[in-house]
Amino acid sequence: DAGVTQSPTHLIKTRGQQVTLRCSPISGHKSVSWYQQVLGQGPQFIFQYYEKEERGRGNFPDRFSARQFPNYSSELNVNALLLGDSALYLCASSPSRAGGENEQFFGPGTRLTVL
Amino acid sequence: KQEVTQIPAALSVPEGENLVLNCSFTDSAIYNLQWFRQDPGKGLTSLLLIQSSQREQTSGRLNASLDKSSGRSTLYIAASQPGDSATYLCAVLSGSARQLTFGSGTQLTVLP
Repeated sequence: DAGVTQSPTHLIKTRGQQVTLRCSPISGHKSVSWYQQVLGQGPQFIFQYYEKEERGRGNFPDRFSARQFPNYSSELNVNALLLGDSALYLCASSPSRAGGENEQFFGPGTRLTVL
Repeated sequence: KQEVTQIPAALSVPEGENLVLNCSFTDSAIYNLQWFRQDPGKGLTSLLLIQSSQREQTSGRLNASLDKSSGRSTLYIAASQPGDSATYLCAVLSGSARQLTFGSGTQLTVLP
């Protein structure tokens, strides 16, 4: 079975532009979460979607938005890009939102560079 | 607000040594704790998951323990190999959003 896939692998944008990142979860997984990882730090939680509804949001500005489609894939959109948005964006999927057994599986990430 | 700390930030050991990585968290109301491995510029590979009701998990040369009441976890790597060189991240699942809160990682280098 394929793992979590993300596209594109790399992306270069300029300040003020908009970007859309895509994620396909593991088959059968209904929960998708997005994380931002700045160089040298651990990932920071951005959003969680489950059954196509937003179930959680981290401390990120409204320039960040996301959605989940009926096939459980997801898109992360970032508007009005800033230099500080340069990071590795990671997508994680899990079978459900259950508790202790809820293991998160991560994709390879999208490296976004804002010039 | 959940906070996760990992010590040490970096560690260099000769091949064959046993080693321990430490993780602490501030809020004991967690669902589980995961240890991940991250190679440079890559995504995260899940190594071990410990549910909040469990004390430890083992996979091959890896053993992770959890003391929820004291907010601590350790990852023990036996007989280290150069291929173990990577950044190791600890993360706890907590909160109404079921979000992972990560530490900043321990960068491990195993010297041949």
